[in-house]
This record gives sequence, structure tokens and C-alpha cells, in this order.
Amino acid sequence: QVQLQESGPGLVKPSETLSLTCTVTGGSISSQYWNWIRQAPAKGLEWIGYISESGSTNYNPSLKSRVTMSVDTSKNQFSLKLTSVTAADTAVYYCARRVTPDRFDIWGQGTMVSVSS
Amino acid sequence: DIQMTQSPSSVSASVGDSITITCRASQTISRYLNWYQQKPGKAPKLLIYTSSSLQSGAPSRFSGSGSGTDFTLTISSLQPEDSASYYCQQSYNTPFTFGPGTKVNI
Repeated sequence: QVQLQESGPGLVKPSETLSLTCTVTGGSISSQYWNWIRQAPAKGLEWIGYISESGSTNYNPSLKSRVTMSVDTSKNQFSLKLTSVTAADTAVYYCARRVTPDRFDIWGQGTMVSVSS
Repeated sequence: DIQMTQSPSSVSASVGDSITITCRASQTISRYLNWYQQKPGKAPKLLIYTSSSLQSGAPSRFSGSGSGTDFTLTISSLQPEDSASYYCQQSYNTPFTFGPGTKVNI
């Protein structure tokens, strides 16, 4: 059974770069689309973007200038980098698998990232 | 971007009741509409995809319908464990967008 687990620092300083990794276990990272979604405290869900196993990406235009995603198929991991963070980037960050027909069927447990000096 | 709205924002009901949550898209999205359940401190869980298909493992008391711009999620015979927030999400095009959520109190 495929499981996802996010990892990375829980605290990032303003103007620095947020870096998170999602490890896929119980299955291969191949042939699917791997997504990042975030949820600010007491707020709704915001899709950040996805990356495929081949490295093709699609980012939310609202974050596109600051987002980079990468994939490491040898480690069954994919990653998120968000630059120039502000307090508005404080959120729980989820990684999720997208399958066809398009839906997010498996989610990680989420990791809280706070932006503060 | 396609904007998603939901109503009501919250609803209170009793065990055994049936409730319906409405989701509306700002433009037609065919049947590309998914529903998720989220409990406090947990990740969202997929319930319904492509408007009316029940995700494997989701209880059969959850059902969805709709196409175009208007969609509904119905929970029949409410159970205590259905107390949660429910989000709709369009998968018609990117950026994928979610509704603001409906909180269900049992």
C-alpha cells in the first residue's frame, strides 16, 4: 500500500527558502503525478503544483515565480522548494498522489511549516 | 482560475439524518469534481471523484451528483464519525482549486 511522508524543517526565516521532501513507500514513484498542496491555519486548501516521474512540472501561477519541484526516482522521493517566504507561507504542507481520472487519492500526513524570525 | 464555492459553510445535524452540501464552479467543469473529508489535524481523504464515483473504502452513505457548474454531496444516515470538514475540488484544469469547505457538526 502506497504511503507518503513529508519531511523538512518546521521553521523557516522570512526571505529564506522552504525545502520539503516527500518519500513514497510501498510503491513506485513511476507513472503518476506527485503534488504539493498546502493549508494555512484555519484556511482552505491550495494546490501548489505537481511533478511527474520524468520531471515535467505544472505550478500554480500564484506561486510559480517562487516554486521549484524536483524528483529523485532512485530514492522514490520528490521535493518542493519555495523561495522568498513570508508569514503568508505559514501552512501545513501536504504531498499527494494524483491519479487518473484526476483526483488526489493518497495524501501524506502533512507537515507544519512556520515562517518566523 | 476556476473559483469554487460551497454552501452551507457549516451545518449541524443528528445521527441518522441526511444532509446535502452544494458546490458551485465559476465555469463549467463537466463532471470533473471531487469531494474530500478532513478531520482536525488530519490530511484530507478522498470520498467521491468525477462527481459521483465512490472512492474505494469510502462508506456507501456518501454519494455525489451533478455536472456543469452545480454539484452536491449527500451524506445519508449520518454517523458520529462523519463530523468533519468537506471540500470540493475541480480537476477540470490547472490550477486545481478547492472550495472553502463545509463543516459538519454531529
